[in-house]
Amino acid sequence: AQSVSQHNHHVILSEAASLELGCNYSYGGTVNLFWYVQYPGQHLQLLLKYFSGDPLVKGIKGFEAEFIKSKFSFNLRKPSVQGSDTAEYFCAVRGTYKYIFGTGTRLKVLA
Amino acid sequence: AAGVIQSPRHLIKEKRETATLKCYPIPRHDTVYWYQQGPGQDPQFLISFYEKMQSDKGSIPDRFSAQQFSDYHSELNMSSLELGDSALYFCASSLSRGGYNEQFFGPGTRLTVL
Repeated sequence: AQSVSQHNHHVILSEAASLELGCNYSYGGTVNLFWYVQYPGQHLQLLLKYFSGDPLVKGIKGFEAEFIKSKFSFNLRKPSVQGSDTAEYFCAVRGTYKYIFGTGTRLKVLA
Repeated sequence: AAGVIQSPRHLIKEKRETATLKCYPIPRHDTVYWYQQGPGQDPQFLISFYEKMQSDKGSIPDRFSAQQFSDYHSELNMSSLELGDSALYFCASSLSRGGYNEQFFGPGTRLTVL
């Protein structure tokens, strides 16, 4: 069955700390992976995506993610977080037609 | 660039009423997807349409129905509303021809059932 697991449900960091959010997927077909961010009261915004090629993907706002096929992982990273990064982050894998989302990670960055 | 448009952005209904949510995909996109995101939850896939035909079905209640029209816009019809239907309803669209089908999400309709 297709599934996405995000291990950290809540993360609290201080500004300038480094961030890594875990995402593991289970899907038997060609893998397309995504990270979305959702700011409070707002809609989903695409941070970055992986379809093929270089497994290290760079996205907007200084985020990057690494696709490790052997570990079925697509972890999100940012070297130095800011207060404006406070949001919920969703990992998603594309199924045959639909997207399958992880349960999300709520990140709070303290000034 | 044009994005996915959803209307209304906010909707308040009472229990047992009906609601219709509309989604206008990005021009030339042929596939529309509906997702439901309850408070504090991840988006859950409801249903999708490709070229006006239902292409996939997820956890959509029988009280809900949807369709895609000839201009590719889609409507989600919700009847006998329950308190638990209060959620953010996202629409997404993609161009599925050729297999490249990244989905682009709309801003959502926030439905509150009182």
